[in-house]
Amino acid sequence: QKEVEQNSGPLSVPEGAIASLNCTYSDRVSQSFFWYRQYSGKSPELIMSIYSNGDKEDGRFTAQLNKASQYVSLLIRDSQPSDSATYLCAVNPTDKLIFGTGTRLQVFP
Amino acid sequence: DVKVTQSSRYLVKRTGEKVFLECVQDMDHENMFWYRQDPGLGLRLIYFSYDVKMKEKGDIPEGYSVSREKKERFSLILESASTNQTSMYLCASSLLGGIEAFFGQGTRLTVV
Repeated sequence: QKEVEQNSGPLSVPEGAIASLNCTYSDRVSQSFFWYRQYSGKSPELIMSIYSNGDKEDGRFTAQLNKASQYVSLLIRDSQPSDSATYLCAVNPTDKLIFGTGTRLQVFP
Repeated sequence: DVKVTQSSRYLVKRTGEKVFLECVQDMDHENMFWYRQDPGLGLRLIYFSYDVKMKEKGDIPEGYSVSREKKERFSLILESASTNQTSMYLCASSLLGGIEAFFGQGTRLTVV
């Protein structure tokens, strides 16, 4: 079992819709969870951090964490074509970040 | 803003060459990391360092070494480059272990 699992996609949503990206992790000691956005040919950019169960909102982005289910998700409201990118989930079971392979999101006009 | 700078954006090297990839961060971060990213395999940790002159192996350290002589600089060394080391190399830093990391712009290395 991979330490961090994401559906590779592509996830295609129309402009203005809600995009829902999911991630599961295997190590229960993980305490910190992150979402990165990566445009093609570019490096990952941090967009959300979440450390406790529940929801955390930042603009159009909401991160959701459920430690009991070992599940973290990212919701993007009012999706825009500029949100088209690969979204990487990362968790820290120790002092280093472990990344999923990412979900490719496509937002079409 | 955190700034992590990698010395080269694109690099082409020949098989057998010794290759140095440099990374500098300007935020006094303790931890620094080297990842490589390949299609379908995601980001894989090569080495990381939590202090000057300290280093820890990641998941794929074979064929690589690192150097951290100063807090702000973390170098990745390919002792004898091979074609299977053609990849995107990403440096990252974080203030402490377990919190968010910030990436440099990446170095796309091609070994011919």
